Amino acid sequence: QVQLVQSGSELKKPGASVKVSCKASGYTFTTYAMNWVRQAPGQGLEWMGWINTNSGNPTYAQGFTGRIVFSLDTSVNMAYLEISGLKAEDTAVYYCAREGPPIRGDYWGQGTLVTVSS
Amino acid sequence: EIVLTQSPAILSLSPGERVTLSCRASQTIGNLLAWYQQKPGQAPRLLIYDASTRATGIPARFSGSGSGIEFTLTISSLEPEDFAVYYCQRRGNWPPRNTFGQGTKLEIK
Repeated sequence: QVQLVQSGSELKKPGASVKVSCKASGYTFTTYAMNWVRQAPGQGLEWMGWINTNSGNPTYAQGFTGRIVFSLDTSVNMAYLEISGLKAEDTAVYYCAREGPPIRGDYWGQGTLVTVSS
Repeated sequence: EIVLTQSPAILSLSPGERVTLSCRASQTIGNLLAWYQQKPGQAPRLLIYDASTRATGIPARFSGSGSGIEFTLTISSLEPEDFAVYYCQRRGNWPPRNTFGQGTKLEIK
């Protein structure tokens, strides 16, 4: 069955970097793009952008450019979200979510909590 | 960039009641709209896609309608497990531009 399993919670200091991983299984990884979604504490869902798992080309949503990088390792079916220069306002749960026709299923990772605090 | 606006922000209702949630797009998006339910500590669950198609396993009490810029999600008779936050999302276009609305919280009265 399709699964997206994300890395565990992270506690980082301001200015540091974090890399969240999302391991896909149960399907051909390069068939479907991968989205990234942010949810700050008590707030709504924000679509951060997506990465083409065939080409590796990332696209960032408005407001998510500059300190964020999406990347892949297709040899191990992994997608990554890296955030540099962390700020307190980056504290959030980050989700990976498979793109694709919903009739093929809708799949999300379990979420990774990133806490930025001195 | 297309903006999705949901209303109201919060709804207080009782089990058994009927509820309609609204989502308005700043530009026409055809029928490329999805609805999600999210409970605390959980990832969102897809309820409706293509504005009116129920996702696999979603009870018939959930229905979606609309096209263009105005969309609604209706729950015909609220069950206790339906009290959650609901989000609309532009979805189905390629390349993806999967904007979310800000959410409607459905709380027990």
